[in-house]
Amino acid sequence: DAGVIQSPRHEVTEMGQEVTLRCKPISGHNSLFWYRQTMMRGLELLIYFNNNVPIDDSGMPEDRFSAKMPNASFSTLKIQPSEPRDSAVYFCASSFEDLGETQYFGPGTRLLVL
Amino acid sequence: SQQGEEDPQALSIQEGENATMNCSYKTSINNLQWYRQNSGRGLVHLILIRSNEREKHSGRLRVTLDTSKKSSSLLITASRAADTASYFCAPSGFQKLVFGTGTRLLVSP
Repeated sequence: DAGVIQSPRHEVTEMGQEVTLRCKPISGHNSLFWYRQTMMRGLELLIYFNNNVPIDDSGMPEDRFSAKMPNASFSTLKIQPSEPRDSAVYFCASSFEDLGETQYFGPGTRLLVL
Repeated sequence: SQQGEEDPQALSIQEGENATMNCSYKTSINNLQWYRQNSGRGLVHLILIRSNEREKHSGRLRVTLDTSKKSSSLLITASRAADTASYFCAPSGFQKLVFGTGTRLLVSP
């Protein structure tokens, strides 16, 4: 298996632009998680899906952030409009079970908002 | 959800030495997981220990769990430079995993 795939790996954009991050989970996994990692705040869970349904989005910072999972093999995290404080590494992870079991992380997308 | 707290925050050792990291948590758990993160990479799952287990081994890794003290330890034996990374514990009680700030391990040749 190729593991969790994320794209792009790096993104540089200007403040106010829309940013879309993509994730392909491991085939057969039914839970998908989006995390954000910064030096100041560490690793934060933004949202997770189970069977393509958003279960908990309490970690989403504000309305500028939205996430979708239209099918079992694809998810997007969108930031519109982007701000410099959104600069971080965004990770997608998937797991076979629901909460509390082993998660498999993608390589991350390093986002820089100028 | 609950967060594990790793201790120490940073650890510096020589190759061949053993490295021990500790994790404390506050509420009851179903399992506890340890992950490793190399610089610039995603987290990699190392080992999962369930609440009814006291010790688990995987290669050079040894994990212990003491549910009465709500603590766990990760021992890496005969460390290598490639073990340099941040290590995170994630206690789980059928709730979302919350990662702490981790222990930064530096293994010098």
